[in-house]
Amino acid sequence: DQQVKQNSPSLSVQEGRISILNCDYTNSMFDYFLWYKKYPAEGPTFLISISSIKDKNEDGRFTVFLNKSAKHLSLHIVPSQPGDSAVYFCAASVRGSQGNLIFGKGTKLSVKP
Amino acid sequence: EPEVTQTPSHQVTQMGQEVILRCVPISNHLYFYWYRQILGQKVEFLVSFYNNEISEKSEIFDDQFSVERPDGSNFTLKIRSTKLEDSAMYFCASRGPSGRRYGYTFGSGTRLTVV
Repeated sequence: DQQVKQNSPSLSVQEGRISILNCDYTNSMFDYFLWYKKYPAEGPTFLISISSIKDKNEDGRFTVFLNKSAKHLSLHIVPSQPGDSAVYFCAASVRGSQGNLIFGKGTKLSVKP
Repeated sequence: EPEVTQTPSHQVTQMGQEVILRCVPISNHLYFYWYRQILGQKVEFLVSFYNNEISEKSEIFDDQFSVERPDGSNFTLKIRSTKLEDSAMYFCASRGPSGRRYGYTFGSGTRLTVV
C-alpha cells in the first residue's frame, strides 16, 4: 500500500541546472507534505514543507509545488549544486494524527560538476 | 543547532537476543518517534510517543517492541527477541508543537544487524 510514491529512483542533473523531484500520493487526508534529504550513514534532514491549503512554498533554492487535484507535488532545486547530491524523500502526515510521517521510497539525485 | 542523539551507531546481535536502542531527543520537544529503514527500502513509521505514552503505532510495532522514556531525557526502543528481519537502520525523531510545519529532527540512526 504505497500512499506516497516516488516513481523515479534516480535523477542526474548538471551543476547549475534545475533539479525536479516528483512525488505522487493517494490519501486525501494528508495535510502536510515534507521533503527530506538523506546522506549515507546519516538520518533524514528536513528541507521544506507545504500545507495542503497552499500550492507553493519557497525557501532559497528550494521550491515545493502542490497540485491537489492531481495529488502530485514536486521539489525544484535551482541552481543545483554538487553538494545537493543525496537521496530525497517525500513524506506526508495525516490530518488528525500525531504527525507520524509516511515516506516515499526516495529519489537519488546526482549533481555533476 | 540542537540534535537528536542515538546510541549505539551500530549493533550486532544474535537472533533471539534482546536489544535496546537509545535516543536523546531535543530537550524542549514533546513528540517522539521511531522509524526504521530496511536496506534498499523506504523509511517506515514504527511508533509515536507523547505525554509518556504511545500515541500511535504501526502494524510493524508488534508485541516484540516496546518504548520507554525512563528518565525524562532518554527515549528507548526495545526489541525483546530479535529476528533476522529486524536488521535495519532505526531512526529516532522528535518534534516540537509546530513540527508538522517545520519538520522533525531525526537522529543519525542505529544500524542493527541480527545474525
